[in-house]
Amino acid sequence: AQRVTQPEKLLSVFKGAPVELKCNYSYSGSPELFWYVQYSRQRLQLLLRHISRESIKGFTADLNKGETSFHLKKPFAQEEDSAMYYCALTNQGAQKLVFGQGTRLTINP
Amino acid sequence: DTGVSQDPRHKITKRGQNVTFRCDPISEHNRLYWYRQTLGQGPEFLTYFQNEAQLEKSRLLSDRFSAERPKGSFSTLEIQRTEQGDSAMYLCASSRGHTGELFFGEGSRLTVL
Repeated sequence: AQRVTQPEKLLSVFKGAPVELKCNYSYSGSPELFWYVQYSRQRLQLLLRHISRESIKGFTADLNKGETSFHLKKPFAQEEDSAMYYCALTNQGAQKLVFGQGTRLTINP
Repeated sequence: DTGVSQDPRHKITKRGQNVTFRCDPISEHNRLYWYRQTLGQGPEFLTYFQNEAQLEKSRLLSDRFSAERPKGSFSTLEIQRTEQGDSAMYLCASSRGHTGELFFGEGSRLTVL
């Protein structure tokens, strides 16, 4: 069964500090991992996907198959990063996305 | 606005009543998904369509839930004989093929009294 675990429901850091949002997954095959974000009063939207290996809004995420993790990182947090972040997984056939419970990130000024 | 639209945005109903939600996906997207989200939880998969074919239904979807996508365009999600446990945000999303990039609507919030 596919499962995504985000151990932190809430995360609060100061502006300019590094941020790491944790995501662990369980899946027996080769997964595709994503981070979705929901800013206040906006729709849930894709932030980044592991196959793209790109940095979006300063965020990066590396898929670590040995540790079954896909942590989201940003070296210097900005106030506009405050949002709900969801880690999600799908199989290579991309039939459906399975989401974690989400982490609410708050960036303090 | 060419994004995914959902209607109604809010619905308050009494236990035992039937409710129907509508989703209009982005026009060129052939896949349409329904998710349910309760407070403090991530979106839970309910069902998805490729064109007009319903390809997968979650075990979460009891017999009281039914979804359709006639003609492969808009979709409806009906809940019969609503229960208080059905109170949630119902999210619709669409995608072009199986890219994993879903475009979400703003959701339909259901409150069952």
